[in-house]
Amino acid sequence: GQQVMQIPQYQHVQEGEDFTTYCNSSTTLSNIQWYKQRPGGHPVFLIQLVKSGEVKKQKRLTFQFGEAKKNSSLHITATQTTDVGTYFCAGWGADGLTFGKGTHLIIQP
Amino acid sequence: SQTIHQWPATLVQPVGSPLSLECTVEGTSNPNLYWYRQAAGRGLQLLFYSVGIGQISSEVPQNLSASRPQDRQFILSSKKLLLSDSGFYLCAWSALITAQYFGPGTRLLVL
Repeated sequence: GQQVMQIPQYQHVQEGEDFTTYCNSSTTLSNIQWYKQRPGGHPVFLIQLVKSGEVKKQKRLTFQFGEAKKNSSLHITATQTTDVGTYFCAGWGADGLTFGKGTHLIIQP
Repeated sequence: SQTIHQWPATLVQPVGSPLSLECTVEGTSNPNLYWYRQAAGRGLQLLFYSVGIGQISSEVPQNLSASRPQDRQFILSSKKLLLSDSGFYLCAWSALITAQYFGPGTRLLVL
């Protein structure tokens, strides 16, 4: 079945450093979605990418969808303490929506 | 605007007791509904999803069942809880293949 791998599992950064998480699917995706889960909270939808090679920005966050529509990345510039949490990618494919296991972002002040 | 409600927020239950968690959605019609479970610090495990009243698909064989008695109501149940049923239970809704919107979740501890 469809698999979505996400790396790294954990990322420690100093406040102000950049952060990137990567998502790779075993199959071609119709779209890819990104979610953020704050500690103790529930996942919150951030963005959806649909087109091959698409790049979208939300303030300090940059999202990319690969040309082959099988991989994606989320990059945060100059992390802040409010960025702490777990970032999940989720890809829509033939098997429906499959979530990656998430990247835990830990920020040291 | 659409909102999703889940209750209770936390629940402590003895092993062998029954379970009923409820999820309701407002502001949309015929949503796709989902139940997920999340172990502490882990990913999301899809348990059940529903595309309409009375239509339930199970992703993982387990001690749980789901029902959708009304268009915007989704219920997760168990007749006898196991220790391994402890976790964070999340309900979500979506329209077709768009984003999923999660409720606040129920933290279940089975002792």
